Amino acid sequence: DGGITQSPKYLFRKEGQNVTLSCEQNLNHDAMYWYRQDPGQGLRLIYYSQIVNDFQKGDIAEGYSVSREKKESFPLTVTSAQKNPTAFYLCASSGRDGYNQPQHFGDGTRLSIL
Amino acid sequence: QKEVEQDPGPLSVPEGAIVSLNCTYSNSAFQYFMWYRQYSRKGPELLMYTYSSGNKEDGRFTAQVDKSSKYISLFIRDSQPSDSATYLCAMSLSGNTGKLIFGQGTTLQVKP
Repeated sequence: DGGITQSPKYLFRKEGQNVTLSCEQNLNHDAMYWYRQDPGQGLRLIYYSQIVNDFQKGDIAEGYSVSREKKESFPLTVTSAQKNPTAFYLCASSGRDGYNQPQHFGDGTRLSIL
Repeated sequence: QKEVEQDPGPLSVPEGAIVSLNCTYSNSAFQYFMWYRQYSRKGPELLMYTYSSGNKEDGRFTAQVDKSSKYISLFIRDSQPSDSATYLCAMSLSGNTGKLIFGQGTTLQVKP
């Protein structure tokens, strides 16, 4: 079945540690996105990529990094510079035919601090 | 002021009720409007996707966009306990990068 797979479902980070969240899609979508969801705040855009080897910062990119080496994959690294990383992280993708194609989401990774 | 405002609820209704969920927004340039449903510990699932003003119906769901008032609504008819979830409105600019602006989400509980 086509879809977006995020792993792991739960992740714990120690102080000073970088952690990487995986996002893979088999929908043949060009664009991919990372959002952070906090209680009562909706979703906020961290990074997005419209095409392989290119990505742009969203509204809250500080403390995060991404890469887009393959069309199917858009991993997110939460660095030690992100002082408040506890949140639900959601990956999405959309077709490129007009960037206003609807976005489809994975089931998220919940990150907590140890 | 946030670009998109959504009443967080929670909203509790009896089974079979008509539910009205609403969002207001400040940027008149928004052209594409979406409603997502999110169950606990899951990712958002696209329910409705509309362009510009007007109504769109899909089964028990109707999405309404009033650009003159900067107001969008989602109506759920004959609500079911399985409709209990958080509903997120989202919108984007025409010709933009596909960046979505989300409301905070409304939590709905439908009681049997």
